[in-house]
Amino acid sequence: AQSVTQLGSHVSVSEGALVLLRCNYSSSVPPYLFWYVQYPNQGLQLLLKYTSAATLVKGINGFEAEFKKSETSFHLTKPSAHMSDAAEYFCAVSDLAGGYNKLIFGAGTRLAVHP
Amino acid sequence: DAGVTQSPTHLIKTRGQQVTLRCSPKSGHDTVSWYQQALGQGPQFIFQYYEEEERQRGNFPDRFSGHQFPNYSSELNVNALLLGDSALYLCASSSGGVVTDTQYFGPGTRLTVL
Repeated sequence: AQSVTQLGSHVSVSEGALVLLRCNYSSSVPPYLFWYVQYPNQGLQLLLKYTSAATLVKGINGFEAEFKKSETSFHLTKPSAHMSDAAEYFCAVSDLAGGYNKLIFGAGTRLAVHP
Repeated sequence: DAGVTQSPTHLIKTRGQQVTLRCSPKSGHDTVSWYQQALGQGPQFIFQYYEEEERQRGNFPDRFSGHQFPNYSSELNVNALLLGDSALYLCASSSGGVVTDTQYFGPGTRLTVL
């Protein structure tokens, strides 16, 4: 069965610092991976997705993620944090067993950005 | 282009009651999925509807049921509410629902069970 683990339920960075949010997946087949962001009292917004094309995926708002098969990782990065990046971030994998796009989510990482 | 919409925004019910949540998919989308997000957790898949049929279901009891209408909108029904059903219920839509399809989420309905 596929699963996702997000290391660190809370991450705090200074404005302008590097953002690194960690995601490891478990899958017996090449996975399809997604990062979503959730702002307070809102739904989920897609940041980026990996579907077996380029291993470095660029998303919205300056975020990018690199698929590393050898490490079973799909970490999310942003070179310079902005106050508006404060939100909850979810890594998800598409459940291939069912044949459809059911998503399996990690527990989330709450990002705080301080001045 | 309207995104995914959900109603109501908030709902308060008491144990044992029944509730219906509604979702309109993004324009051009025909597949609707429902997720439950408990406080402090990631969303969990409830079920997915396509062509008015439930075609995939997560690990939720039969108290959770749904429906999809010919215009692709969908309802989530929960019977015999429990305190543990308190959560944010998210609707997501996509086109066809194949594994690489992106799911677009609505703002959610916050259900509180007292």
